[in-house]
Amino acid sequence: AQSVSQHNHHVILSEAASLELGCNYSYGGTVNLFWYVQYPGQHLQLLLKYFSGDPLVKGIKGFEAEFIKSKFSFNLRKPSVQWSDTAEYFCAVLIKAAGNKLTFGGGTRVLVKP
Amino acid sequence: DAGVTQSPTHLIKTRGQQVTLRCSPKSGHDTVSWYQQALGQGPQFIFQYYEEEERQRGNFPDRFSGHQFPNYSSELNVNALLLGDSALYLCASSLGPSLSQETQYFGPGTRLLVL
Repeated sequence: AQSVSQHNHHVILSEAASLELGCNYSYGGTVNLFWYVQYPGQHLQLLLKYFSGDPLVKGIKGFEAEFIKSKFSFNLRKPSVQWSDTAEYFCAVLIKAAGNKLTFGGGTRVLVKP
Repeated sequence: DAGVTQSPTHLIKTRGQQVTLRCSPKSGHDTVSWYQQALGQGPQFIFQYYEEEERQRGNFPDRFSGHQFPNYSSELNVNALLLGDSALYLCASSLGPSLSQETQYFGPGTRLLVL
């Protein structure tokens, strides 16, 4: 069965530091890729998505992610974090051949210290 | 523009009981998906409803069932509750069942505690 791995469960960093969260998936075919964020006390919100085309996608709030097909990865980055980026981040994969269901990673909890 | 709404926000049940959770999709959306998010884990897909039919199902037992109404709202029913059913249940809506074109929007969830 396909799976999505987020290797960092918790990340703590200071404001203005750079952030990179890893996401790997196990499937060799066509995928759509997503990053969702859940701020404390709020809904899951879409940060960015990759369907096709340029593998470097830009999302909201200064986030970007790069799809590297050869590495089965879709890592999330932000050059300079703010305290307001404290949240839990989820990577998700849609495998078209498996139907219309998202498979989520376990999430990474990010704490940005002011 | 109303987003995805879910009710109730919190629920406490005992083992063996049955529970019904409700979801109203975002305005203009016709497809509803349900997810279970256990503590410390990512959401797991339960099933998806489109045109009042279950279109896709994840690895959940038959104790989990659902329904979609003509106004696109949806219910998730869980029978014979187990302690392990304690989780946050998320509803997500989209326009059409094909998530390869559309984005899902999530509701705030219903937190279920089974004692």
